[in-house]
Amino acid sequence: DAGVIQSPRHEVTEMGQEVTLRCKPISGHDYLFWYRQTMMRGLELLIYFNNNVPIDDSGMPEDRFSAKMPNASFSTLKIQPSEPRDSAVYFCASSLDLTGRVYNSPLHFGNGTRLTVT
Amino acid sequence: AQKITQTQPGMFVQEKEAVTLDCTYDTSDQSYGLFWYKQPSSGEMIFLIYQGSYDEQNATEGRYSLNFQKARKSANLVISASQLGDSAMYFCAMRGSYGNNRLAFGKGNQVVVIP
Repeated sequence: DAGVIQSPRHEVTEMGQEVTLRCKPISGHDYLFWYRQTMMRGLELLIYFNNNVPIDDSGMPEDRFSAKMPNASFSTLKIQPSEPRDSAVYFCASSLDLTGRVYNSPLHFGNGTRLTVT
Repeated sequence: AQKITQTQPGMFVQEKEAVTLDCTYDTSDQSYGLFWYKQPSSGEMIFLIYQGSYDEQNATEGRYSLNFQKARKSANLVISASQLGDSAMYFCAMRGSYGNNRLAFGKGNQVVVIP
């Protein structure tokens, strides 16, 4: 089975440019998460969706960040304009709530997008 | 709010030895799940093992076992018979209920297995 697919794997861009990260969750999964990982701050949740609806975006750093999930098989995380402090690894993850007890379900992660903003 | 604490410094482990990674957590949820993930130097996040808050038995998955002590709010990972491929960063994480559906992570434990 295909896992969570993220693209691109690496992105290098200049400050001020728009960056779009893409994610395809595992088919049938109903939760989708965007995380950011840095050495200083570890793994931070940015936003998560349930059935394509944003549930909690309190981790989105500021208005420069936006995320969408237009359908069950695709999500984007956009940074506009990008800044050097946005340099990080961005992970997308998905999970399936089979039992109604969502806390039982592990998240399955994509391989991440390493973003470098110069 | 959920809080996960992993405070051990980096660890060196002899190949074939067992290693225990400590994790304590804090939550007000009655129902929650505890997870361990492995992140090798290649960067991917690999799910290892899960323990539910109402599970009476400690979870096991191959060479991984979880020492769950609910009253102490600890969920330590035990890796038996360490292999060179176990060298990685290990993250403890929690997923709650009642709107706390995010997976909250600790800072991680670095493990290096030496031959």
